[in-house]
Amino acid sequence: DIVMTQSPGSLAVSLGERATINCKSSQSVLHRPNNKDYLAWYQHKAGQPPKLLILWASTRASGVPDRFSGSGSGTDFTLTISNLQAEDVAVYYCQAYYGPPHSFGQGTKLEIK
Amino acid sequence: QVQLVESGGGVVQPGASLRLSCTASRFTFNTYGMHWVRQAPGKGLEWVAFSRNDGGMEYYVDSVKGRFTISRDNSKSTLYLQMNSLTTEDTAVYYCAKDGSPNDGDGNWSDSWGQGTLVTVSS
Repeated sequence: DIVMTQSPGSLAVSLGERATINCKSSQSVLHRPNNKDYLAWYQHKAGQPPKLLILWASTRASGVPDRFSGSGSGTDFTLTISNLQAEDVAVYYCQAYYGPPHSFGQGTKLEIK
Repeated sequence: QVQLVESGGGVVQPGASLRLSCTASRFTFNTYGMHWVRQAPGKGLEWVAFSRNDGGMEYYVDSVKGRFTISRDNSKSTLYLQMNSLTTEDTAVYYCAKDGSPNDGDGNWSDSWGQGTLVTVSS
């Protein structure tokens, strides 16, 4: 089974600045036949269900602001939130969907400094 | 807009059983696989199970294999999670989530989520 490891566990960033969250998979999630990375990012705010941000490692989901971007391939991935807004306070998760189980990372808590 | 409404949560004793339901609307239910994902108190998200759109294939996380069964009734647009032999480790909010890709066998990202239902296992 693929194990997803996120870092850091928490971070505090000033409004308007950039937040960077890392995610590492224990094995590659790159599917060579279609050259796609089977990696998603979610935002989870307190009291709400999770919200899909990114699929295929770098494709923004519908309606997601372009302040959110995903990058990386193979085993190392990054979620970058530019121009941090107050409403971005949440826990962020990566998820590998390269075959079940579809493991999540342990989450990164983002706060405002 | 996709709507997913979970129900069936509650407080049960260790060893008991519980069945969760997730009623779906505003999309073609029989076209999409469906997931159950849980979050224990103070913990992160844990993927639990997946049902293919036709109900012909199921997958589970190791910790629930043999105890939980995911199923669906496409005529009722409803997803189920039968949970047996519950332990305190199963205490969590359980979310049902719609798979992001239609007619795709093994499951992908989840693009819509319900509000969740709380299951508490306690003596």
